[in-house]
Amino acid sequence: DTAVSQTPKYLVTQMGNDKSIKCEQNLGHDTMYWYKQDSKKFLKIMFSYNNKELIINETVPNRFSPKSPDKAHLNLHINSLELGDSAVYFCASSSGTGNYGYTFGSGTRLTVV
Amino acid sequence: QKEVEQDPGPLSVPEGAIVSLNCTYSNSAFQYFMWYRQYSRKGPELLMYTYSSGNKEDGRFTAQVDKSSKYISLFIRDSQPSDSATYLCAMGPGGANNLFFGTGTRLTVIP
Repeated sequence: DTAVSQTPKYLVTQMGNDKSIKCEQNLGHDTMYWYKQDSKKFLKIMFSYNNKELIINETVPNRFSPKSPDKAHLNLHINSLELGDSAVYFCASSSGTGNYGYTFGSGTRLTVV
Repeated sequence: QKEVEQDPGPLSVPEGAIVSLNCTYSNSAFQYFMWYRQYSRKGPELLMYTYSSGNKEDGRFTAQVDKSSKYISLFIRDSQPSDSATYLCAMGPGGANNLFFGTGTRLTVIP
């Protein structure tokens, strides 16, 4: 039973398209995150939600919009995809503020062509 | 200056070797320190967690934190080919703040 699951695992799409990535966690955690990992493996926080409320919104283009319908789900919608958006996107969850670590999903590899 | 600096490697060692992985950081407010292991095409998984300074041991893995030097280490004893992965350090000040990750060190253990 996967703790943090993301769909799809792979996404290949053309520039200008709009796409969504879904994330669900069954750990009962109340905080969820989106991270972007570039080709050099650097993990950068994009968004963080606590009990459906946005608490961290790093400098991310407006084309990226997170949505949390409930505390077990955090989706990421990307408008007008650009080549530079190609990366691996990880969803993660934690209990409270995550001081004891996060549980990551297996990632969504996005390729924009 | 990045919040967290980590030597990207790559690092290749023979099976059975002791491996030392390190990170330095600049923010003296960091209190929570973690090491994650990431296999190829997988998500990072939490390996070790330490609060404040000191050592923590779990099997073949030992995590050390030296807050005075702003330096953390992960030691792997009797390294195995299954330890081949990218190791990421992560840390944060606690509270409603996100973790800051190092860029990861890619380790290969050669049989």
